[in-house]
Amino acid sequence: DIQMTQSPSSLSASVGDRVTITCRASQNILRKLNWYQQKTGEAPKLLVFAASNLQSGVPSRFSGSGSGTDFTLTINSLQPEDAATYYCQQSYTTVTFGGGTKVEI
Amino acid sequence: QVQFVQSGAEVRKPGASVTISCKSSGYKFSEYNIHWVRQAPGQTLEWVGWIDSGNGNTKYSEKFQGRVIMTTDKSTTTVYMDLSSLQREDTAVYYCARMVGGLADFFHPWGQGTVVTVSS
Repeated sequence: DIQMTQSPSSLSASVGDRVTITCRASQNILRKLNWYQQKTGEAPKLLVFAASNLQSGVPSRFSGSGSGTDFTLTINSLQPEDAATYYCQQSYTTVTFGGGTKVEI
Repeated sequence: QVQFVQSGAEVRKPGASVTISCKSSGYKFSEYNIHWVRQAPGQTLEWVGWIDSGNGNTKYSEKFQGRVIMTTDKSTTTVYMDLSSLQREDTAVYYCARMVGGLADFFHPWGQGTVVTVSS
């Protein structure tokens, strides 16, 4: 299975900050990488698909980039409602998820 | 809108089995595969397997092979997951999700989750 490594595992930032989360795949996954947001007690919610495509309805302060093995999720101008855990997921082969990044504000 | 509603929380003893349901609405049932993903307390997400809602074909994670069975009921647009020989390590929230293909296969939307607790 392809291993997905996220960093950092947690971070604390202030409202208005720019936050960057990285996800590294153990092999080339082209751009088959998706990002999800999970708030406490809720199901995950799709944010970005195919590395850089913003899901409909997701605020434009979220953006994704990368290809191959290295990917990034950026939150520009962090808002209080962005407090959550973020997961990457690859779909190049059998689905696997990253370990998650908890964002505290 | 596309929606999944899962069955309620379950408590089982070790060695028992559990069946979770996931009722879909808002789209043509047979056109999408449904996946199951679980999340143990404080842990990341773990893929369990998927079922083709059109023909019933399945693929399971090797970790769950032999213990999991996924089925569908087209008449009620419901997907079921049976997990047997439960152990404490199976305590988790189990989610169903629709996989959407294209540029990358992603999960959208997800069910609300079903808590399964395995305890003696």
